[in-house]
Amino acid sequence: AQSVTQPDIHITVSEGASLELRCNYSYGATPYLFWYVQSPGQGLQLLLKYFSGDTLVQGIKGFEAEFKRSQSSFNLRKPSVHWSDAAEYFCAVGAGLTGGGNKLTFGTGTQLKVEL
Amino acid sequence: EAQVTQNPRYLITVTGKKLTVTCSQNMNHEYMSWYRQDPGLGLRQIYYSMNVEVTDKGDVPEGYKVSRKEKRNFPLILESPSPNQTSLYFCASSWERSTDTQYFGPGTRLTVL
Repeated sequence: AQSVTQPDIHITVSEGASLELRCNYSYGATPYLFWYVQSPGQGLQLLLKYFSGDTLVQGIKGFEAEFKRSQSSFNLRKPSVHWSDAAEYFCAVGAGLTGGGNKLTFGTGTQLKVEL
Repeated sequence: EAQVTQNPRYLITVTGKKLTVTCSQNMNHEYMSWYRQDPGLGLRQIYYSMNVEVTDKGDVPEGYKVSRKEKRNFPLILESPSPNQTSLYFCASSWERSTDTQYFGPGTRLTVL
């Protein structure tokens, strides 16, 4: 069974500082990996996804993530955080094509607070 | 505008009173899914549908029913709601499968007394 661990429940950073949100996954084959963001009172929006190719993936809003198979990780990064980045961030893993792609498993989320 | 809509957005009900939360998408997506979000547990999948008349259980299907009679609609039915179903519910849709970009509705906050 696939699973996702986001070890940090809350993170606080200062505006302009760099950010790294951690995500570890468990899946037997090549996974599809995602980062979604949820702004207060909103649904989720896709930031970026990885399924093959270059292990460094660029997303919207200046975010990037790096897939490291040896560490089973897919950490999200941003070089300079803006106050509008305050939100909850979810990592998710999905089955690859051989797995049918029917199910997406989300982590428990990391709440990001940005100090001005 | 491409969107997923859910109704109602907020609902307070009592134990045992049947309710339906509607979900509709205007993107001609084949895949639709329901999730519940609870503090400390993230999003957990309740049911999903790969196409009309094709539905399957997610991780937490107990106490819920779904139907997919039309491509655009995927209602979530609680036949006899209980307090442990108090949660924030999200509907999502994507082109063919869960690993395509999913588009989420605004959420329905349900309280069962």
